[in-house]
Amino acid sequence: KAGVTQTPRYLIKTRGQQVTLSCSPISGHRSVSWYQQTPGQGLQFLFEYFSETQRNKGNFPGRFSGRQFSNSRSEMNVSTLELGDSALYLCASSPPTGDEQFFGPGTRLTVL
Amino acid sequence: AQSVTQLGSHVSVSEGALVLLRCNYSSSVPPYLFWYVQYPNQGLQLLLKYTSAATLVKGINGFEAEFKKSETSFHLTKPSAHMSDAAEYFCAVNRGFKTIFGAGTRLFVKA
Repeated sequence: KAGVTQTPRYLIKTRGQQVTLSCSPISGHRSVSWYQQTPGQGLQFLFEYFSETQRNKGNFPGRFSGRQFSNSRSEMNVSTLELGDSALYLCASSPPTGDEQFFGPGTRLTVL
Repeated sequence: AQSVTQLGSHVSVSEGALVLLRCNYSSSVPPYLFWYVQYPNQGLQLLLKYTSAATLVKGINGFEAEFKKSETSFHLTKPSAHMSDAAEYFCAVNRGFKTIFGAGTRLFVKA
């Protein structure tokens, strides 16, 4: 079974631009979560989607948004990028009968 | 509120020595607890999870963790460290529909 895939793997943007990151969960997984990982703040929860509905959201500004499609694939969008948005963005999916998460390799976003 | 605290941001051991990574949780009820590992330039990988079925949980790569309610701890151990164990380790707890991670402990293994 294929793992969680994230595209692109690396991205360089400039301040003020917007970016969209994509995540394809493991087949059969309907829950997708997003995390931001930085050296200073560690792993921070962004949001979680299940069957196209956002069930939980972390403490991030409204510039961070996400959505999930009917095939469980998910996207997150960051608008008006700031230097502090430079981070590794991780996506994880969970099976229907478990609480563990399966992570993708992440998207490394650099904002210049 | 549920959270986890990892004691020690860096731990260094010699190859073949015992690995002990500490995690304490705060919760009013026994939570679901996890240990994940992250190798450089990769996502996180589940090592093991505690779901109240047994207090001693065995995971992959020879790691295990013991849930101690009296100490609110879930420390990760491995009897003999290998060079390939060098990575960052995260303790985590489920809270509703999100997972809360500890700050992480980077494990260094010396030859």
